[in-house]
Amino acid sequence: AQSVAQPEDQVNVAEGNPLTVKCTYSVSGNPYLFWYVQYPNRGLQFLLKYITGDNLVKGSYGFEAEFNKSQTSFHLKKPSALVSDSALYFCAVRDRGQAGTALIFGKGTTLS
Amino acid sequence: DAGVIQSPRHEVTEMGQEVTLRCKPISGHNSLFWYRQTMMRGLELLIYFNNNVPIDDSGMPEDRFSAKMPNASFSTLKIQPSEPRDSAVYFCASSPFPSTGNEQFFGPGTRLTVL
Repeated sequence: AQSVAQPEDQVNVAEGNPLTVKCTYSVSGNPYLFWYVQYPNRGLQFLLKYITGDNLVKGSYGFEAEFNKSQTSFHLKKPSALVSDSALYFCAVRDRGQAGTALIFGKGTTLS
Repeated sequence: DAGVIQSPRHEVTEMGQEVTLRCKPISGHNSLFWYRQTMMRGLELLIYFNNNVPIDDSGMPEDRFSAKMPNASFSTLKIQPSEPRDSAVYFCASSPFPSTGNEQFFGPGTRLTVL
């Protein structure tokens, strides 16, 4: 079964400091991995995804994420946080062998 | 592109009433997903369709919930009868057929309040 874990309900960081939002996953095969952001009273917005190739993926708004197969992790990072980055962040996974299936989302991490 | 369109954006109804939520996916997308978001349960997948065919409805909480996709450009989620515990934000999302790592595009959501 596929699953995603976001171990932190909330992450607090000072503006200008680097931020990390953690995500680990479990799939039977190889994963497609995604990060989404949700601002208050809005829908989820796609940030970035890992499909194949370079383990470091760059996305919108200066965010990046690193795929680590041995640790089954896909942590979201940003070198210098902004107040406007405060939002709810979701990690999601799909097993490559499960074509045609929905993304499985984590419970979300609030970044403040 | 207008993105995923949902209506209404807000719905307030009384317990026992029928509620119908509507979704128009992005043109050309083959897959459509209905999610529910609450503080207690987070984001839950209710049902999804590929090429207008329901694939997995195991997330539909009860028989009171039903979803249809009569054509590629329209889907409904119906709750009959509604209950206060159905109060949540309901999101619709669409994507190209999800076989190559395509992301899902979310609509703005419908905030449902059942009194």
